This record gives sequence, C-alpha cells and structure tokens, in this order.
Amino acid sequence: GNSVTQMEGPVTLSEEAFLTINCTYTATGYPSLFWYVQYPGEGLQLLLKATKADDKGSNKGFEATYRKETTSFHLEKGSVQVSDSAVYFCALVISNFGNEKLTFGTGTRLTIIP
Amino acid sequence: EAQVTQNPRYLITVTGKKLTVTCSQNMNHEYMSWYRQDPGLGLRQIYYSMNVEVTDKGDVPEGYKVSRKEKRNFPLILESPSPNQTSLYFCASSFASGQQFFGPGTRLTVL
Repeated sequence: GNSVTQMEGPVTLSEEAFLTINCTYTATGYPSLFWYVQYPGEGLQLLLKATKADDKGSNKGFEATYRKETTSFHLEKGSVQVSDSAVYFCALVISNFGNEKLTFGTGTRLTIIP
Repeated sequence: EAQVTQNPRYLITVTGKKLTVTCSQNMNHEYMSWYRQDPGLGLRQIYYSMNVEVTDKGDVPEGYKVSRKEKRNFPLILESPSPNQTSLYFCASSFASGQQFFGPGTRLTVL
C-alpha cells in the first residue's frame, strides 16, 4: 500500500537557522505530494504541493522538490522564524475511483527559539 | 468566508453514549472526508463521500457511521463510543481532485 515516512521530531532550531524536514514515500502509481502545516489549536493548512516529478512547490519561504528517483519530498526553508513553530505533515494522494484520500506521515513538531 | 466548520470543538463523554460530530462546508464541494489524528500515527481516513448519498469506508471505519443527505453536511456518528475512539477528528472537503480544506478539529475524550 501507499505510505509516507517523515523525520521524527521534535525539532528545535534557533531563529534564522536552516530547516530540513525529510520525507520519503512509497506509492503505486503517480502520487501528488503535499506538505501541510498545523498551528497550535488549528486545523491543517496546505503549505505547498507538487503534482509530478521534478516539480518544486514553494510558499512562505518553504520549498520542496518532488524527486521520483529517490521517492522523496523534503521540506526546506533557508531562515526560520518563531512564527514557523508548528507541526508539519508530509502527505500523498493517488486518486482511487474518486477517493481523494490523503496518506499522511506521522508529523514533525518544529519549535523555533528566538 | 470559505470554510469548513465542525461542532463541537471539544467533547468529553462516557462509553456507550451515542454522539454526533457535525461538519459543514460552504464551498459547494462534492468530496468530503473524516480523519482521526493520533500521536505517532498521523491522520487516518475514517469515511469519505464523493457526493450526496454516496459514502464509503476509509482505512479505519469500525465504530463509526456517516451520512450525506445534503451536499454541505457530513456528520460523523459514534453509536456506542469506546475509549479507543478518544482522538482528534478532522473533517475535510474539496472539489474532485482539488485542494482539500480542513476543519478546525474536534477533540473527543471517551471515558
């Protein structure tokens, strides 16, 4: 079946540090890949996405590139801020007879220290 | 404002007492889905619906029911809740193959 493996947390960084959160996937077919962010007490928000190999998704200074050869979609940001503190989820979708089920990783809690 | 709403946001109940968590969206989305979030497991799909009167099981449907009588609403029903259903629940909606929008979550505790 499909699965997503992401970096275990929690991750604690100082403000302005470089961030990488690793994500790899296993899927039959051609998935679309996503990063969702969950701020404290809130639902999930789509951060960025990529729908085919070599696509780069980007938003709010975050980037991730769909690497088919390594089945990876690592999240990066060059200089993190305190406001980036949240839980980050890597996810994939393969549409299956109309079910747009998202398969999620376990989430990585990120804390940024001033 | 385009949004997915869930009620209640927090609920503490006892084993066996039937409850319903409501989900409503105002974006005219065909597709709606319920997930539960548990530590170390991420989010797992419970049920989904592709349109009115069309529902199907996700990965963890045991102990849950849903209905889709109107396009905007997709309630999650626990006929006889048990402690292993203590979790954080999210409703999501989208157009077919579109971006999914999530509700704010319902934290359920079953004693």
